[in-house]
Formats: sequence, C-alpha cells, structure tokens
Amino acid sequence: DTAVSQTPKYLVTQMGNDKSIKCEQNLGHDTMYWYKQDSKKFLKIMFSYNNKELIINETVPNRFSPKSPDKAHLNLHINSLELGDSAVYFCASSQVSGGTEQFFGPGTRLTVL
Amino acid sequence: KQEVTQIPAALSVPEGENLVLNCSFTDSAIYNLQWFRQDPGKGLTSLLLIQSSQREQTSGRLNASLDKSSGRSTLYIAASQPGDSATYLCAVRPPQKLVFGTGTRLLVSP
Repeated sequence: DTAVSQTPKYLVTQMGNDKSIKCEQNLGHDTMYWYKQDSKKFLKIMFSYNNKELIINETVPNRFSPKSPDKAHLNLHINSLELGDSAVYFCASSQVSGGTEQFFGPGTRLTVL
Repeated sequence: KQEVTQIPAALSVPEGENLVLNCSFTDSAIYNLQWFRQDPGKGLTSLLLIQSSQREQTSGRLNASLDKSSGRSTLYIAASQPGDSATYLCAVRPPQKLVFGTGTRLLVSP
C-alpha cells in the first residue's frame, strides 16, 4: 500500500510550458506539503496545506500554485517553466501541522530544457 | 532563522563499524527532530522522530539523541552494513514545516 504517491515520477518539458504534479496520501492525514530538492540535494519547504487551507507559502514565485481539492490531495501547478525550476519535488503529509512525523512521497524529477 | 548543519558531509567506513552522524541547529525552539535516509534517486524514508521533550529514540541498530539546549542531535548506527549506504538527513520542526540539514552521505564497504 502506497502511503504518499506522486505522479509523474519523471517530467521533462520545454521552457515556458505549464505542467502539474499530482500528490495523494491515503494515511488520513490533515496536513500536506511540497518540498523542493535542488541540484545540491538541499531540501526546502515550498507550501503547506492543512485541511485544504494554505498555511505556509515560503516566498515561492507566483508561477507555482498549489491546489488542494480535498485533504487527501495536494497538486502543484507550475506556469511558464524556467530552467531554474529543474529539481526533484517531494510531497509529504503528516497527521497535524504540529509535532508529528512527516511521510514523504517518492519524488518527481522535473527537467526543464 | 533556523539553520541546520550536518557533519560530516560524507563518511566512508568498512562494514561492521559503529558510527555517529551529527546534526546541529541554531534555534532551540523546535517541536521535534526527524532523521531520514534517502537512497539515490529515491524519496525519503523516516528513520526516527524525537519530540522536543525526549532525549533519545531507538529503532533496531539506530539510536538518535537530542540535546535541545545545545542545538544538537546525533544518529548512532551500530554494526554498519553495506545496506546502510545512503544519504542521511536530519530535519527540525519549528511550527508547521521541516527545516532540513545538508545531509551526510554514508558509504559502508563490504
């Protein structure tokens, strides 16, 4: 049983395109997150949603727009893709937004050409 | 601003050795600290979670300690195996998000 799943696993696209990455968790968690891992392998929070409401937006460009249709899904839409957007994007979830364990998806490797 | 540093950045040991990975953080106001492993091209696997009120957690050959006042955590791996080869990340939790360290790349040779 996959706890946190992401699709697609790999995404290769041209500059200027718009793309989406989907995330789903079947753990019944209230909070979901998007993290970005850059070429130096450094992981940084982008967004956090609690029960479909945005609670964290870490100075991410407006071209990135998370959408949470329900608390089990948090999708990431990226407009006008740039070379610097190439990275691995991880989705995660936790029971609540406080002191509980976070579980991560397998990641989506985005390559912008 | 919370900053998390891990030392060493890379570590290579022969199989069977006991080893310690270090994690330090600048702001002691955390909810918890979580240790992960990441295999090449893969996602993150949670290893241990230590709440701010705890001093250590154990899981199998792994033992993690937390000294919040000094801003330090260690991950102790006993009797290392080649399968332990991976990048180990620590992350601290201020409210609502995780702040990750820079990682330690571990290679255990047979």
